[in-house]
Amino acid sequence: GQQVMQIPQYQHVQEGEDFTTYCNSSTTLSNIQWYKQRPGGHPVFLIQLVKSGEVKKQKRLTFQFGEAKKNSSLHITATQTTDVGTYFCAGQGAQKLVFGQGTRLTINP
Amino acid sequence: AAGVIQSPRHLIKEKRETATLKCYPIPRHDTVYWYQQGPGQDPQFLISFYEKMQSDKGSIPDRFSAQQFSDYHSELNMSSLELGDSALYFCASSRTGWYGYTFGSGTRLTVV
Repeated sequence: GQQVMQIPQYQHVQEGEDFTTYCNSSTTLSNIQWYKQRPGGHPVFLIQLVKSGEVKKQKRLTFQFGEAKKNSSLHITATQTTDVGTYFCAGQGAQKLVFGQGTRLTINP
Repeated sequence: AAGVIQSPRHLIKEKRETATLKCYPIPRHDTVYWYQQGPGQDPQFLISFYEKMQSDKGSIPDRFSAQQFSDYHSELNMSSLELGDSALYFCASSRTGWYGYTFGSGTRLTVV
């Protein structure tokens, strides 16, 4: 079945440093979605990428979808303490999302 | 804006008991999903419904069943509970042609 791998599992940075998480799928994806889950919270939708090579930005967050539509990345520039949480990529299957393992981001203020 | 409503927020059950989790999706969303998330784990897909019909099935134990009712709310029924069923259970909904899933706040099930 479809598998989505995400690395790293954990990332600890100093406030102001950049952060990147990477996602790889075993199969070509129709789209990829990114979610953020704060500690004790629920996943919150951030963005969806559909086109090969697509790049989207949301303020300090940059999302990329690979040319082969099998990999994606999320890059945060100049992290802030509000960025703390777990970032999940999720590949769209037939009638479900398949989540990556998530990258837990912690920040030293 | 209306969100996905789940109840109860917390549930404590003993082994071999049954539990029923409820989910009220966002109005006009046509698909409902159930996910299970263990501590430090990613959400694992259990089952989904499209327009009240089961549309996909994941790693849902045979002890669990789910359905979606005429008013679009969904229930996850869990029987013969085991300690390993302790987890966060999320319901999410989406609308065809719209981006993203909206997750509820989850039900934290503890089996003792």
